[in-house]
This record gives sequence, structure tokens and C-alpha cells, in this order.
Amino acid sequence: AQKITQTQPGMFVQEKEAVTLDCTYDTSDQSYGLFWYKQPSSGEMIFLIYQGSYDEQNATEGRYSLNFQKARKSANLVISASQLGDSAMYFCAMREPLRDDKIIFGKGTRLHILP
Amino acid sequence: DTEVTQTPKHLVMGMTNKKSLKCEQHMGHRAMYWYKQKAKKPPELMFVYSYEKLSINESVPSRFSPECPNSSLLNLHLHALQPEDSALYLCASSPSGLNTEAFFGQGTRLTVV
Repeated sequence: AQKITQTQPGMFVQEKEAVTLDCTYDTSDQSYGLFWYKQPSSGEMIFLIYQGSYDEQNATEGRYSLNFQKARKSANLVISASQLGDSAMYFCAMREPLRDDKIIFGKGTRLHILP
Repeated sequence: DTEVTQTPKHLVMGMTNKKSLKCEQHMGHRAMYWYKQKAKKPPELMFVYSYEKLSINESVPSRFSPECPNSSLLNLHLHALQPEDSALYLCASSPSGLNTEAFFGQGTRLTVV
């Protein structure tokens, strides 16, 4: 069964607008971690933000914030004031420390920022 | 320093060749990963090493052989590959544990001819 679901294959957003990328996950573990990565066309996987399952506050890193709703098993990425350089593929991922630290990825969302 | 270094960046190899991909990190991370990524697809987990021991092999064909010689280095030995093995190979590392980040290298773009 798919454990990470990203329902938006592609999104188009006007520059300077905020954007929310959706991610839902499924796990029976109490301990897990959630990541968001950005992958530009160059291929490198750039770490953006991390949320642990026991973290009570939503993670923030500069323009990135993670809207963590544990009961709904949702971990959406919010990018404020989008920039042209934000155009890339974005992946949501989950780590399961109790399963040999496996990290699995969603299918990704292709984000296009329009000038 | 959050750098994971992968070499080479590009590799073209014939189906009868033997080659190796290298991944290095000096962050003291105890978990290291190999992923394969085809175009327009998410990364697929291949192997996980934890404290230098292989902890996960996701049913990867034996023509891919991982090796972890020490806590900083992870290799992927390639032998008798097929054209469908052409992909971006990504290495990642992470401190073991819950509240920790995972960092990726820039990847090796492999073409099998």
C-alpha cells in the first residue's frame, strides 16, 4: 500500500504568491519523521524541511513551513512569497526509524512559478 | 558541513563493464542509503546501511553490489548492467534516530550502452 501520497502532479503559481503542496502519509508507527525535498532539473535532491512525529510545533525554515496535522496524517509544505527559482519537483518523504530507518518518497509535485 | 559527495557525476558503461559509484560523507552519520531514480519518477530505495552493516536490500538484482568499507564511505559496484539500469543514482546519509535530517549527494547519472 502506498504510504506517501502527493495528489498534485503539477501546479502553476504566480510569482510572489504563497503555495501549498499537499502530502498525506500512512504509518502504524508512533515514531516517524517527515521530509520535504526540492529537486531541480539538475537532479540534486535539496533538503528543505523536517518534522518529527513528536514535534509539537510546525517546522519552519525561512520561506518554507510544514503544516503538520498528525490526526489527519497530513504534512503539507507551504512556500511563502514564491520565486522563479522555486520551479522544481518537490518530494514528500517519510522515515521509519523502527523499520531500519527506511526513507520512502511520494510521487512528487512539479511546481511551475509564472512571472 | 552538510555535504554528501558522489563520484563520478556522469558515467557511461557497456553491459560487460565493471564500474563503481562512490559516496562519501564526513558528518559522522550512521545511516547511508542508495537510491535509483528514473526520469520523472520518485527515488526508489535500493539499500540501507546502518552502522556499516547492510540493514535493507530492497530485492535489488545481484548485478548491483553495495559495500560500506568504513563509516564515511559507501560504494555501489556495478557489473553486467542492462540498458534499463540507466538512471540517476543518489546516495544519502543521516544520523540514526528520529529527529534527524537526511542529506543527499548530487547523484551519478549512469548510462548503460
